[in-house]
Amino acid sequence: GAVVSQHPSWVICKSGTSVKIECRSLDFQATTMFWYRQFPKQSLMLMATSNEGSKATYEQGVEKDKFLINHASLTLSTLTVTSAHPEDSSFYICSASSGQVGETQYFGPGTRLLVL
Amino acid sequence: AQSVTQLGSHVSVSEGALVLLRCNYSSSVPPYLFWYVQYPNQGLQLLLKYTTGATLVKGINGFEAEFKKSETSFHLTKPSAHMSDAAEYFCAVSSDSSYKLIFGSGTRLLVRP
Repeated sequence: GAVVSQHPSWVICKSGTSVKIECRSLDFQATTMFWYRQFPKQSLMLMATSNEGSKATYEQGVEKDKFLINHASLTLSTLTVTSAHPEDSSFYICSASSGQVGETQYFGPGTRLLVL
Repeated sequence: AQSVTQLGSHVSVSEGALVLLRCNYSSSVPPYLFWYVQYPNQGLQLLLKYTTGATLVKGINGFEAEFKKSETSFHLTKPSAHMSDAAEYFCAVSSDSSYKLIFGSGTRLLVRP
């Protein structure tokens, strides 16, 4: 299957700072990338969908000004958690696909964020 | 709206025993169904998927799943569990009308020696 990477794999930051997480598709062109959040022992919650070159579509209840998503190329999407607070601590996972219905989403290894 | 129900948040089996993880879905349109596995502190890896065609789908690591439309089910099975199968398993659904994945709550598989 296709390979998706995330960087960093874990990050610790102080409350009030911003954190950027990168998601890269290494061996295919990802028209669509998805950002998920996962709390301990829970399922994945879709935060937003981003298509290359256009604005991200956020799920209901997700603050677009807090979770900034940029999908500047077919291989890179970034999620910036702005003015992070302890409640933003979580496991963030991205996935990438060709954007066609029924196509497999390939997941990155995740980024664990801890906000102190 | 689509939804996925995974019965049993935890399933425990002995090494060598049959693995059965249950997944039922709700969808008003023909579904695409997926099973993913997640090892601790890692992302998700695709085990198998059903889109169209043969209802019995074979995946990696000896897993398979059968799409049963009449029962709206897509249960995951493996004839003989291995210690390395211990992980979290997620069933997911999407459809022609949306490429978004809707995940079930997950089932943690424990394999006893």
